[in-house]
Amino acid sequence: DTGVSQDPRHKITKRGQNVTFRCDPISEHNRLYWYRQTLGQGPEFLTYFQNEAQLEKSRLLSDRFSAERPKGSFSTLEIQRTEQGDSAMYLCASEGSSYNEQFFGPGTRLTVL
Amino acid sequence: LAKTTQPISMDSYEGQEVNITCSHNNIATNDYITWYQQFPSQGPRFIIQGYKTKVTNEVASLFIPADRKSSTLSLPRVSLSDTAVYYCLVGDRGSTLGRLYFGRGTQLTVWP
Repeated sequence: DTGVSQDPRHKITKRGQNVTFRCDPISEHNRLYWYRQTLGQGPEFLTYFQNEAQLEKSRLLSDRFSAERPKGSFSTLEIQRTEQGDSAMYLCASEGSSYNEQFFGPGTRLTVL
Repeated sequence: LAKTTQPISMDSYEGQEVNITCSHNNIATNDYITWYQQFPSQGPRFIIQGYKTKVTNEVASLFIPADRKSSTLSLPRVSLSDTAVYYCLVGDRGSTLGRLYFGRGTQLTVWP
């Protein structure tokens, strides 16, 4: 499968714990995005990478959130000291030469107890 | 970025043509119109993109009037598997800040 993959697919954690998610984009895509989606809402932009450079961060991305994309390949999203309000689906997308045609992964569903 | 307005939900029956209209009154000259489809527990999937007039692919057609203040996604002869949320997005395709702004989308339910 040459699409976008995310790991894990599901994560249940207790409030206050740290969690890390991984995204593997389509190999030739140099742009990578993270979104968060809650029930009944559309995905909300979190952050964006062009190769290894993080070019934009949403106001939704508090200081408990950090994202990296070392070497411009896979990306990780870490949430420290999780809160119940962090429960959501975290989606990763990559984009190649066609702007606004983003390819989404299956998402990681986070549940904070 | 231009704001979009689309119906919250629509119902249809198998075999019918479905048209979902999206309003984007503040669309800018450089903006393109893009539609995504999302099934439960999956990420959104790109359907179609256009700038003006009509675009057709193997999945859908996109109709854009001359003033570009609205657009209509047309799904021919829907089946049960077309039940999904459909998002209309408007943005500058040439921008390096390619983040997509999704609204709540239109929940399409296809009945047998």
